[in-house]
Amino acid sequence: QVQLVQSGAEVKKPGASVKVSCKASGYTFTGYYIHWVRQVPGQGLEWMGRINPNSGGTNYAQKFQGRVSMTRDTSVTTSYMELSSLTSDDTAVYFCAREPPLTTIQGPVDYWGQGTLVTVSS
Amino acid sequence: EIVMTQSPATLSVSPGERATLSCRASQSVSSNLAWYQQKPGQAPRLLIYGASTRATGIPARFSGSGSGTEFTLTIGSLQSEDFAVYYCQQYNNWPPGAWTFGQGTKVEIK
Repeated sequence: QVQLVQSGAEVKKPGASVKVSCKASGYTFTGYYIHWVRQVPGQGLEWMGRINPNSGGTNYAQKFQGRVSMTRDTSVTTSYMELSSLTSDDTAVYFCAREPPLTTIQGPVDYWGQGTLVTVSS
Repeated sequence: EIVMTQSPATLSVSPGERATLSCRASQSVSSNLAWYQQKPGQAPRLLIYGASTRATGIPARFSGSGSGTEFTLTIGSLQSEDFAVYYCQQYNNWPPGAWTFGQGTKVEIK
């Protein structure tokens, strides 16, 4: 069965970077875009960007341009999201999500990771 | 960037009553609009995509309508498990691949 399993919670100091992983299983890893969405505690959902695991190509939200990097390692079917120059405003749960190939007939997402809490605190 | 605006922020409804949630896009997203339900500590759950198509396993009491810039999610008869936060999302692919979410509507027990 399809699974997206994310890495565990992280605590980081302001100014540091964090790298969250999303391990895919149960499907052809290179066939589906992976998106990253974050949620500050008590607030809404915020799209950060996506990666094409086949080509490695990325699209980032303008807000995070220059501070986010999404990569993948096809040998271990894992996507990564790295966010740098962290501040307390980056304290959030970070989700990965899978986009099916035909969004017009399948919808924009079919599976989500469980979420990873990143806490930024001095 | 396409801005999604949901209303109301909070909706107080009694069990068994009907709930109507609204979502407006700052520019046309055609029918590339989805609705999600989220409960505390959980990932969002896809309810509706293509503005009106129920996702797999979603009960018929959930229905979506609209196109262009105005959308509605209707919950026909609220069950106890429906009290949650609901988000709309556009996926019209501009900029390429970009998603935008509304700020959410909390449906609470009246």
